[in-house]
Amino acid sequence: EAGVAQSPRYKIIEKRQSVAFWCNPISGHATLYWYQQILGQGPKLLIQFQNNGVVDDSQLPKDRFSAERLKGVDSTLKIQPAKLEDSAVYLCASSGQGSGYGYTFGSGTRLTVV
Amino acid sequence: AQSVSQHNHHVILSEAASLELGCNYSYGGTVNLFWYVQYPGQHLQLLLKYFSGDPLVKGIKGFEAEFIKSKFSFNLRKPSVQWSDTAEYFCAVNSMDSNYQLIWGAGTKLIIKP
Repeated sequence: EAGVAQSPRYKIIEKRQSVAFWCNPISGHATLYWYQQILGQGPKLLIQFQNNGVVDDSQLPKDRFSAERLKGVDSTLKIQPAKLEDSAVYLCASSGQGSGYGYTFGSGTRLTVV
Repeated sequence: AQSVSQHNHHVILSEAASLELGCNYSYGGTVNLFWYVQYPGQHLQLLLKYFSGDPLVKGIKGFEAEFIKSKFSFNLRKPSVQWSDTAEYFCAVNSMDSNYQLIWGAGTKLIIKP
């Protein structure tokens, strides 16, 4: 099966600019997650979708971050405006319906804010 | 709240040495347990997982882990490491109570000297 696709792989922007990341999960996976992984740390959950509904966005900095999952398939994560501390790898993962079976991760987008 | 502790942040071993990476979690209920690996410049990959049954779990690339419920531990082992095992290793747990969100340890950076 195809994996989780993410784009772009790398992005460099200046602070206060905006940026968007795209994720296409594994076909049929109802649950989609966006994580932020800062160098030297474990992934931090930003938002969890179940189909096209938000299950948990308690750790999403909503003043600058937004995410959507239209039609319950692809998802986009946006940062506007970006700050230096947003430099991180943004990971998308998906899992099957009601699964405790772990996730499949995409390759991530490495964001550098200068 | 659930949490995961990985005791060693950095481990340096020579090739052919035996490996054990510690992982402890805090949660009294039923959990699913995972070890993920992140090779330099690559995305997170699932090494092995435990849901139920035999507490000794075999994973890919010769890794295994043992779930010891009484100690709330899920340590990762490999009898003889190779240079290609150089990577960062993350322990994670989830449960129905966490809505199957993965709770991550901080990771252990493993460096294998050739």
